[in-house]
Amino acid sequence: GAGVSQSPRYKVAKRGQDVALRCDPISGHVSLFWYQQALGQGPEFLTYFQNEAQLDKSGLPSDRFFAERPEGSVSTLKIQRTQQEDSAVYLCASSPRTGPSGANVLTFGAGSRLTVL
Amino acid sequence: QKEVEQNSGPLSVPEGAIASLNCTYSDRVSQSFFWYRQYSGKSPELIMSIYSNGDKEDGRFTAQLNKASQYVSLLIRDSQPSDSATYLCAVNIRGGADGLTFGKGTHLIIQP
Repeated sequence: GAGVSQSPRYKVAKRGQDVALRCDPISGHVSLFWYQQALGQGPEFLTYFQNEAQLDKSGLPSDRFFAERPEGSVSTLKIQRTQQEDSAVYLCASSPRTGPSGANVLTFGAGSRLTVL
Repeated sequence: QKEVEQNSGPLSVPEGAIASLNCTYSDRVSQSFFWYRQYSGKSPELIMSIYSNGDKEDGRFTAQLNKASQYVSLLIRDSQPSDSATYLCAVNIRGGADGLTFGKGTHLIIQP
């Protein structure tokens, strides 16, 4: 596609519900990143995929957060038993490069805004 | 200490003046530095990258890097109301593949 596509754009969940956020990166981009951006804050790194391999998940805040990219293209970020502190915009970004330079050329999606009531 | 620090502002600058945005970082081995612009409700958009000490100019934007002092700055000349946004400083901490570390961002307001 022309850009990084994320869905849903807006999601309201009741506390305790599970949610799934989808990212469709630019075709052929091998690197995929998920970031969490709370209101008034900068994006915080969550996890990184190189093709289908999840090389870094050190930023996932708890074991309620899970991400996958089974075929090396579309990625899903799943949050189980959502809490109010999970309310944020979840940004997906992709890059055509890997390794250190992969982080240097990122295209961000529009984000999925999650509100947990 | 956060790894990337920015003054959150708001920074108010009259139209036509120079806006100066600053950022400090903690990891001395960082090699890559970026400035992103983020309009309210939108995703970050890369406007400048800099890798070497000194100045890098692109149109009205100049990025400045001083690795010895561990700071990076962004100057916007002839500021326009359309420049009003949050400016995020991002650093490739430790040169890893695990993405960028962002500051909180500085909210810039250009007053007509």
